[in-house]
Amino acid sequence: GAGVSQSPRYKVAKRGQDVALRCDPISGHVSLFWYQQALGQGPEFLTYFQNEAQLDKSGLPSDRFFAERPEGSVSTLKIQRTQQEDSAVYLCASSPNRDAGGYTFGSGTRLTVV
Amino acid sequence: SQQGEEDPQALSIQEGENATMNCSYKTSINNLQWYRQNSGRGLVHLILIRSNEREKHSGRLRVTLDTSKKSSSLLITASRAADTASYFCATDMGGSEKLVFGKGTKLTVNP
Repeated sequence: GAGVSQSPRYKVAKRGQDVALRCDPISGHVSLFWYQQALGQGPEFLTYFQNEAQLDKSGLPSDRFFAERPEGSVSTLKIQRTQQEDSAVYLCASSPNRDAGGYTFGSGTRLTVV
Repeated sequence: SQQGEEDPQALSIQEGENATMNCSYKTSINNLQWYRQNSGRGLVHLILIRSNEREKHSGRLRVTLDTSKKSSSLLITASRAADTASYFCATDMGGSEKLVFGKGTKLTVNP
């Protein structure tokens, strides 16, 4: 597609529920990134893939967070047993390659845990 | 943790005026980028400046980089109401492909 697509756009989860957030990067983009953005803050890095390889997951806040990109295109960010502090906007971005300069971001998924 | 810090946190100007935002960072970088975020939307890439560059222009945008002071500035000339958004600087922390973002400057351009 023309841009990075994220779904759902909004998600309300009850505390303790598992959620799955989807990212469709631009076709052919090698690198894919997940960020978490709290209200009024800048995006915080969660994890990144180069093709299907997860090269850095240092930003995942706990073992309740898991990301995958099994075929090197679509990625899913899964959060198990959601807690209120997980409420945030989850942003996905993709880039053609390391030297491309600049990510293309999706519009994000706003997760609210109640 | 966030590498970059933008200054000011908020800026309100009249249409036609220039807006200047600053960014400071902590570690060595390969490049520094600026992004814009309209309320409730994703981030849009504006401009990238490499560590061996000192100044770069793109339309009404001018970015400077001072690696000795670990700082950058973004100047928007002849601002428009449509420039109202939050602006973030992001650095690559030298060698890593991931970007680390600051907290942003919220710019309001009044018509």
